[in-house]
Amino acid sequence: AQSVTQLGSHVSVSEGALVLLRCNYSSSVPPYLFWYVQYPNQGLQLLLKYTTGATLVKGINGFEAEFKKSETSFHLTKPSAHMSDAAEYFCALTGANNLFFGTGTRLTVIP
Amino acid sequence: DAGVIQSPRHEVTEMGQEVTLRCKPISGHDYLFWYRQTMMRGLELLIYFNNNVPIDDSGMPEDRFSAKMPNASFSTLKIQPSEPRDSAVYFCASSLVRVFTEAFFGQGTRLTVV
Repeated sequence: AQSVTQLGSHVSVSEGALVLLRCNYSSSVPPYLFWYVQYPNQGLQLLLKYTTGATLVKGINGFEAEFKKSETSFHLTKPSAHMSDAAEYFCALTGANNLFFGTGTRLTVIP
Repeated sequence: DAGVIQSPRHEVTEMGQEVTLRCKPISGHDYLFWYRQTMMRGLELLIYFNNNVPIDDSGMPEDRFSAKMPNASFSTLKIQPSEPRDSAVYFCASSLVRVFTEAFFGQGTRLTVV
């Protein structure tokens, strides 16, 4: 069975601080993993994805994520938060018949 | 390409009325998905199509929900009769080539049933 767990439904950081959003997964097959961002009243936009190959994946807007098989994790990071990063972030995992989404983490950036 | 286009963006209807949500996927994408987003349940896959054929509708909550894809460029999600608990944001998404490798989402339809 496949599932995704996002740790922390709300994360607050100061502008300029490190952003760390946590995602752990469970999968019986090699996973494809994604991070999506949702701005208010918008659809989901792909930030980055891991399929195969390099375990450190770079995405848009300065975000990156590292696939760690031993830890079954795919945490999202950004060295320096910007006000425009305030949004909801979803980790997702490909399954045989679905794209499993986590419950989301709302990121607040404090000026 | 303009991306996945959904209409309407907002819909307010009275309980018992029929509601039809529309989606135009990205041209050339073989897969189309309908998702529902609520605070309580997060993002749920309702149904998906491959080459206009429904593949998995196990997420459709009940018989009041139906979805069609008459051609490669258009899909509808219909709720009849609508109920207040159907209030949610409904997203359409499409993907190219292989299912669930990457989905491109529309901006969603916010449905309110009063």
